[in-house]
Amino acid sequence: AQSVAQPEDQVNVAEGNPLTVKCTYSVSGNPYLFWYVQYPNRGLQFLLKYITGDNLVKGSYGFEAEFNKSQTSFHLKKPSALVSDSALYFCAVRPNNNNDMRFGAGTRLTVKP
Amino acid sequence: KAGVTQTPRYLIKTRGQQVTLSCSPISGHRSVSWYQQTPGQGLQFLFEYFSETQRNKGNFPGRFSGRQFSNSRSEMNVSTLELGDSALYLCASSRWTSGMTGELFFGEGSRLTVL
Repeated sequence: AQSVAQPEDQVNVAEGNPLTVKCTYSVSGNPYLFWYVQYPNRGLQFLLKYITGDNLVKGSYGFEAEFNKSQTSFHLKKPSALVSDSALYFCAVRPNNNNDMRFGAGTRLTVKP
Repeated sequence: KAGVTQTPRYLIKTRGQQVTLSCSPISGHRSVSWYQQTPGQGLQFLFEYFSETQRNKGNFPGRFSGRQFSNSRSEMNVSTLELGDSALYLCASSRWTSGMTGELFFGEGSRLTVL
């Protein structure tokens, strides 16, 4: 069975500092991995995805994520956090033989000025 | 290009009633998925439709059902509402069901409160 875990419910960083939101996955075969962001009372917005190729994926709003097959991780990163990055972040996984996308529990990121 | 549109955005029902939620996908998108979001359970997959056929189904009771029309618009229905059905129901569309590399595009959700 496929699953994705976000070990931190909450991440706090100061504006201007780098941020990391962690994600690990468990899926048979080669996974397709995604990051989404959700602002209050809104739907989810796509940030980036890993399908194949370069392990470092660049996405929207300056975010990037690193795929690590040996550690089965797909951590979201940004070199310099903004207050406006404060939101709920979801990691998602989809096995390469099924269209069922499964989401992690979410990590609430708070960036303080 | 218009995004995914969900109606209604907010609704209040009482236990035992039924509710129908509507989702219009992005033009050209033929796959529609539904998710339930609650603080306790997070995002849970309900079902996915492609070309009017249910392709995948999550682990929800039969009270939760859905359908898709020929224009790709989708509806989901919850019968005999329970307090625990209170949630944000999110609809997402994508271009192909077999295009599993594609991302989902989400609507803003329908927030259901069951009293």
